[in-house]
Amino acid sequence: EIVLTQSPGTLSLSPGERATLSCRASQSVSSSYLAWYQQKPGQAPRLLIYGASSRATGIPDRFSGSGSGTDFTLTISRLEPEDFAVYYCQQYGSSPPGYTFGQGTKLEIK
Amino acid sequence: QVQLVQSGAEVKKPGASVKVSCKVSGYTLTELSMHWVRQAPGKGLEWMGGFDPEDGETIYAQKFQGRVTMTEDTSTDTAYMELSSLRSEDTAVYYCATAIPGGYFDYWGQGTLVTVSS
Repeated sequence: EIVLTQSPGTLSLSPGERATLSCRASQSVSSSYLAWYQQKPGQAPRLLIYGASSRATGIPDRFSGSGSGTDFTLTISRLEPEDFAVYYCQQYGSSPPGYTFGQGTKLEIK
Repeated sequence: QVQLVQSGAEVKKPGASVKVSCKVSGYTLTELSMHWVRQAPGKGLEWMGGFDPEDGETIYAQKFQGRVTMTEDTSTDTAYMELSSLRSEDTAVYYCATAIPGGYFDYWGQGTLVTVSS
C-alpha cells in the first residue's frame, strides 16, 4: 500500500504570501491519480486539483499543482484569508484498487 | 450538479451497528461511483470503500473488511454504509463521496457524526 507523507505538518504564513505544500509517496504514483483537497472546520473536503495539475471547476488560478513520480506540490501563489485551512493529498492505486490520503497540512495565519 | 444529503447524527454503544444513508439528487445512483470516507475527531481522512465501476463490484479497504457493508437502493437513489461491531475508535464523521474514474472524489455529502460511547 502506498503511503503519502505531507510536509510540513503546519505552515504559518501571512495573507499575500506564497504557500508551498509537499506530498511525498512511498512509491511511484501515476500523476493521473494524484489529487489535492481543501478542508475548512466543520465542512466536507473540497476538490482543488486532480491529475496532479488540473484545477477543479471553480478553483481560482492562484492554486496550482505539480510533480510526478513520488514528489508532488500544491502551490498557492498569493494567499487570501479564505485559503487558511487543512490541505490533503490523495492517490488512487489499482493494485490492489484503493485510495489513500496524506495526513494533511494545516495552513494557518501567522 | 450532484447533491449528496446524508442522514443525521447517531449515538451507538460499543458492539452495536450503525447504518448511514446518502441520498443522491441531480444524477441517478447508477451513473455514479459512490464511496465512503471517514474522519475521526481532529484526524485525517480515511477511505473505507466504494463501488469500482471497472469490476462492477464494491471494494473495501482491508482495515474494514468483514465489518463494513456498502449497499445501494437504485429505486430511491440512496446509498448506505453499515459498520458493525462498533468500538470507541469508530467515533468519526462519515462522508459519502462520488469518485471519478480518474481516481478522485468530486462531490461530497455533508457528513454524519457517529459517536460510539457506553
